[in-house]
Formats: sequence, C-alpha cells, structure tokens
Amino acid sequence: DAGVIQSPRHEVTEMGQEVTLRCKPISGHDYLFWYRQTMMRGLELLIYFNNNVPIDDSGMPEDRFSAKMPNASFSTLKIQPSEPRDSAVYFCASSPTSGAMWGEQFFGPGTRLTVL
Amino acid sequence: AQKITQTQPGMFVQEKEAVTLDCTYDTSDPSYGLFWYKQPSSGEMIFLIYQGSYDQQNATEGRYSLNFQKARKSANLVISASQLGDSAMYFCAMREVNNAGNMLTFGGGTRLMVKP
Repeated sequence: DAGVIQSPRHEVTEMGQEVTLRCKPISGHDYLFWYRQTMMRGLELLIYFNNNVPIDDSGMPEDRFSAKMPNASFSTLKIQPSEPRDSAVYFCASSPTSGAMWGEQFFGPGTRLTVL
Repeated sequence: AQKITQTQPGMFVQEKEAVTLDCTYDTSDPSYGLFWYKQPSSGEMIFLIYQGSYDQQNATEGRYSLNFQKARKSANLVISASQLGDSAMYFCAMREVNNAGNMLTFGGGTRLMVKP
C-alpha cells in the first residue's frame, strides 16, 4: 500500500513566483494535514482537512498561502507570491478517523522549497 | 504554555548503550495519546511508538519503549542498545481527545547523535 505521496520533492523558485505543492493521502484516511518545518520555528501545522473540508487554517501564515482539497485523494498548498522566508520543508500527512492508534499521522516525504 | 516540551535539544550516546529522551506534556483532557516520531537526516517523519492515556502498561516496540509517568505528565522515549542508524531528530507529540480533529501538537525535538 502506497504511503502519502508528495510532489515535487524539491522546488527552487524565485521570489514573486507562484508555487504549488501537491499531496495524495493514503486511501481511506479522513484527515489531511499540511505542516511547515524550519530550523527556527520547528514543525508548524498550517491547515488540516476532514473529509475534504478545511477545519482549521489558523496556522496559515498569511493570505499568500492557500490550500484546497477538491477530492479525497488530492490536496494542494499554494503560495502566491512566494518570498524567501517561505523556504522550508513542507510536509503533508494523513490520518484515519479511528483505530487503535487514533491520531497517528502518516507523513509524506516532504517538499523542500527554496525561494531565491 | 507549551503543550509538549522536549528539554534536550541535543544528546550524545555511545553505540550499544541505552538512552532516554525526555518529553513532558500539558493537558487537562483525561483522554489523550502520545506519539514519538523519528526524523533522520533524509527528512522523512517515521512513527515509532504510541501510548494512550488509559493504557495500563508502558508501550514497547522492539528497541523502543515509552516510560509513561502519568502523574508527572512525562512520556520519555527509551532506546536500548543504540545503533549508528538511530542518529536523528526525535519528536514527541500529543493528541487530545477533545481536540476537534486528529491534530497532533509536536515538541521542539531532540537531536540524538550516536557515537561509534
């Protein structure tokens, strides 16, 4: 069974450009999470979805960031326009609603974003 | 207040020795789950072990065990017989049942370095 899939794995772009990060969660998982990881701030939750509906986006840093989940198997995180301070590793994770370890999140490999 | 505190930013351990990574948490929720993740230099987040607040016994998974002291609100990770491949960042995380979604709150992490 495939895990969480993210693309691209690496992205280098110039300031002002639009960046779109993609995520395919594990089939059957009801929750999808977007995180950002930096040395300074650690692992930050940006937004999460339940059954394709955004539940909490309070972690989204500003209006330049937006996330969508048009269906159960696909989500995007978009940054427009991008800035150098957006450089980070962006993780997508998914989680089932129930199970012995409810709450366990399965992480994708991450997208390393560099904004020049 | 920090919900998850990892007080050791970095630690060294000699190969084949045991090591304990500290984690304290803060919650008023009687039902919660505690997780440990490993992040090697390659960047992926790997689930290690889970402890439920009502579990009677400390969780164990191979060389990993969780020293759960509920009254002290601590959930320390013990790695026995350290291996060079254990060198990584380790994150403690918590999910509270009253949390509206399957959100995990992460600590700042501990970098473990295993010496040959």
